[in-house]
Amino acid sequence: GAGVSQSPSNKVTEKGKDVELRCDPISGHTALYWYRQSLGQGLEFLIYFQGNSAPDKSGLPSDRFSAERTGGSVSTLTIQRTQQEDSAVYLCASGTGTDQETQYFGPGTRLLVL
Amino acid sequence: AQSVTQPDIHITVSEGASLELRCNYSYGATPYLFWYVQSPGQGLQLLLKYFSGDTLVQGIKGFEAEFKRSQSSFNLRKPSVHWSDAAEYFCAVGTSGGYQKVTFGIGTKLQVIP
Repeated sequence: GAGVSQSPSNKVTEKGKDVELRCDPISGHTALYWYRQSLGQGLEFLIYFQGNSAPDKSGLPSDRFSAERTGGSVSTLTIQRTQQEDSAVYLCASGTGTDQETQYFGPGTRLLVL
Repeated sequence: AQSVTQPDIHITVSEGASLELRCNYSYGATPYLFWYVQSPGQGLQLLLKYFSGDTLVQGIKGFEAEFKRSQSSFNLRKPSVHWSDAAEYFCAVGTSGGYQKVTFGIGTKLQVIP
């Protein structure tokens, strides 16, 4: 029984480069969330996918951030023209998409922008 | 919009001592409440959750939490702390109705001393 997996586990990039972060949710989970955890901060909601519905992108901090979910399963979070303030741990979670679901989290991708 | 306050950023307890981590929330309707634990370099693991019913909720690893509507609180407790409990603990509130838009507190880092 695989949980949520994320890759890479760590990513170091130079300012201005684009990065892609991947999330594999638990099989059968229709809901998928992305969060950002900055040092000393709580988790900041970024984006939510549910089945084939339009995603809730209300948490994306700028138009440099985008995400897609192909085939209702794997999701990719893309950050274009990375800035130093993008350095954080990016967490993905998946759930059953029901009202009383529990979100199950992956181990995160630690992004460092130099 | 909902919000969560964890007033204690760091807590240090002796092994074997009791523990209480405080959490206050703000939400206009009946909240869904969660406690998660995050060990270093790991994702978040659900300790327990409250949706409805009995206001005293039992979780994994010997943790419990009590929902007190009058105080808007959902404090986490453990009668005897083990060294392996050292981690960061996050309280979260989710919306009832619709999908789980969860808001997390900033976390409480627990240190356990021998």
